[in-house]
Amino acid sequence: RKEVEQDPGPFNVPEGATVAFNCTYSNSASQSFFWYRQDCRKEPKLLMSVYSSGNEDGRFTAQLNRASQYISLLIRDSKLSDSATYLCVVKSNSGYALNFGKGTSLLVTP
Amino acid sequence: GAVVSQHPSRVICKSGTSVKIECRSLDFQATTMFWYRQFPKQSLMLMATSNEGSKATYEQGVEKDKFLINHASLTLSTLTVTSAHPEDSSFYICSARDSGQGNYGYTFGSGTRLTVV
Repeated sequence: RKEVEQDPGPFNVPEGATVAFNCTYSNSASQSFFWYRQDCRKEPKLLMSVYSSGNEDGRFTAQLNRASQYISLLIRDSKLSDSATYLCVVKSNSGYALNFGKGTSLLVTP
Repeated sequence: GAVVSQHPSRVICKSGTSVKIECRSLDFQATTMFWYRQFPKQSLMLMATSNEGSKATYEQGVEKDKFLINHASLTLSTLTVTSAHPEDSSFYICSARDSGQGNYGYTFGSGTRLTVV
């Protein structure tokens, strides 16, 4: 079983729509959680960290459920520029390496 | 912000030759460098972790004699793909960790697209 699992999509949504991505992780000892964004053929860039209490950054809201080992990302009022692959990333408490999900592809259309 | 310079961005080489990829942290000391590989429509897979001045730790299934990693200084790490074959064609990307920045201290290079013909 992969350590971080995501629905690969693609998610095709119109501008202005709200879209949600889910992710599950297998290592219950994981301590840190992130969403990264990766544009085609580019390096991943940190979108936001995910905290147990949930956190919001503008149009983006992240949630963590430790009991279910589940992470989510909600994007409100989608923009064309949100089109990218969203990577769920988990760091365990042993070592510093980041473990990446396969990513969920989002395409926002006019 | 922190920048990691990765070169080359794209390389095409003949089967059997070796290719060296460099990653430099430009304005911080990278105590740890991670090397990832990403095949099309796949996740970034960790290949190895290296700490400055010590041997790299390779993930299961990654051949250490084929993927040579050198992290001789706090600002430079290199990955050499030796005797490359077409199945080594992939997107290789480094990530440097700045220990002073906690969870926000991961900076990625821009990646190297390797094509072996």
